[in-house]
Amino acid sequence: GAGVSQSPRYKVAKRGQDVALRCDPISGHVSLFWYQQALGQGPEFLTYFQNEAQLDKSGLPSDRFFAERPEGSVSTLKIQRTQQEDSAVYLCASSLRTGVDEKLFFGSGTQLSVL
Amino acid sequence: EDQVTQSPEALRLQEGESSSLNCSYTVSGLRGLFWYRQDPGKGPEFLFTLYSAGEEKEKERLKATLTKKESFLHITAPKPEDSATYLCAVSGTASKLTFGTGTRLQVTL
Repeated sequence: GAGVSQSPRYKVAKRGQDVALRCDPISGHVSLFWYQQALGQGPEFLTYFQNEAQLDKSGLPSDRFFAERPEGSVSTLKIQRTQQEDSAVYLCASSLRTGVDEKLFFGSGTQLSVL
Repeated sequence: EDQVTQSPEALRLQEGESSSLNCSYTVSGLRGLFWYRQDPGKGPEFLFTLYSAGEEKEKERLKATLTKKESFLHITAPKPEDSATYLCAVSGTASKLTFGTGTRLQVTL
C-alpha cells in the first residue's frame, strides 16, 4: 500500500475485554513504532521494533499491553483486560531505516473506546 | 527525561495574518527536532527535521528555525487550509520521539 494502514479504525470494548489492533507498515520499512494519543494530547511512545526485534518497550503502561511483529512486517498491539483509562487513539508509525532521526510515516490510528 | 513544551495551546488567525508557534525543549544529546502537522482524525504528517542550532527549513508558507533551547514555526500569510494541530517532537539518546501537546491553529477567512 501507499501508506501505513491500521485496523480497525474504531473499536469499542467492554471493560475487561481483550483487544487486538493491527498495523501494516509501508513495505520495506525497517522500523515500526506504536504511540498512544489521548484526546487533546501529543502522541506518547509505547514501543519500538527494528524488523522483528522489539528493542524498546519502555512506554508500555502495564503488563496488560503486549506488541509483536513476528515476521518483521505486520505488527499487532494487544491489550488484555481493557480498562477505561486505555481509551485513546493508538497510532502506528514506520520509517525506512533505523535511527530515531528518521522521519516517521503515521497511520490514521485506531480509536479505542472502553465502556 | 526529554521534555517538549509548545505554546500557545491554540491560535486563531485571519487569512494572511502571519504568526509564530513556539516549541521549547530539554533533551540529552539532541539528534533531531521535528515538526508534524495533524489534521482531525488523521495521524501526524511530517513537515521538517532540524538537527543543529541556527538551521532553518522552509516549505510553502511554513518556516522552521532552531536554537539551543527552542524552535519556532513561522507561518506567513496563512490560508484556511493551514488549519491543523502542529506538533513538535525531539529525539535524543532514547530510541523514540518525545512529542509536545501541540498548537491548534485555526485560520479564518
